[in-house]
Amino acid sequence: QKEVEQNSGPLSVPEGAIASLNCTYSDRGSQSFFWYRQYSGKSPELIMSIYSNGDKEDGRFTAQLNKASQYVSLLIRDSQPSDSATYLCAVRVNQAGTALIFGKGTTLSVSS
Amino acid sequence: DVKVTQSSRYLVKRTGEKVFLECVQDMDHENMFWYRQDPGLGLRLIYFSYDVKMKEKGDIPEGYSVSREKKERFSLILESASTNQTSMYLCASTPSGGGYTFGSGTRLTVV
Repeated sequence: QKEVEQNSGPLSVPEGAIASLNCTYSDRGSQSFFWYRQYSGKSPELIMSIYSNGDKEDGRFTAQLNKASQYVSLLIRDSQPSDSATYLCAVRVNQAGTALIFGKGTTLSVSS
Repeated sequence: DVKVTQSSRYLVKRTGEKVFLECVQDMDHENMFWYRQDPGLGLRLIYFSYDVKMKEKGDIPEGYSVSREKKERFSLILESASTNQTSMYLCASTPSGGGYTFGSGTRLTVV
């Protein structure tokens, strides 16, 4: 069974701090990795994708991938109360198959 | 921006009813998906389709069927609704290899 694991949280950080969200996956053949943000009562929204080892930055968000350790993370710099949401990690095992496997999500709470 | 539209935001149906959930995307994506999301269980894949008239079972297909007669439309059918199918249903689409765009979701309650 292919799995994607995340700490459920809640992860609490003060406004302006760095939030670090982590995800591990079981299938070493995984090729594509995504982070989604989901506000309460809303559908998930894609915020980052990463396909190769290393860091990828987009504004206040940085995705980090380490395929050898089967680990992907999301850093949120200068956290804002509006970042309070559940963050879902998703993995695509191979390019031919298109279905994503989702973790159960980490709830982030940013206090002002 | 890609738009994925789910026809109903909230639905209340009776046990035993046949229920249709509709999803339409406007960006000519090949791949479409149906998930349900439940507290503590996360997103679980019900069915997906990578082409017109093609369908593949996901992790929890029991009690559901799907239809894809046109590329832009992917319908989820609950053949005989049961209370354990009360859930948030999410439709998504993607071109091959990319991330999903989700619809706004349908919160279905079966009474």
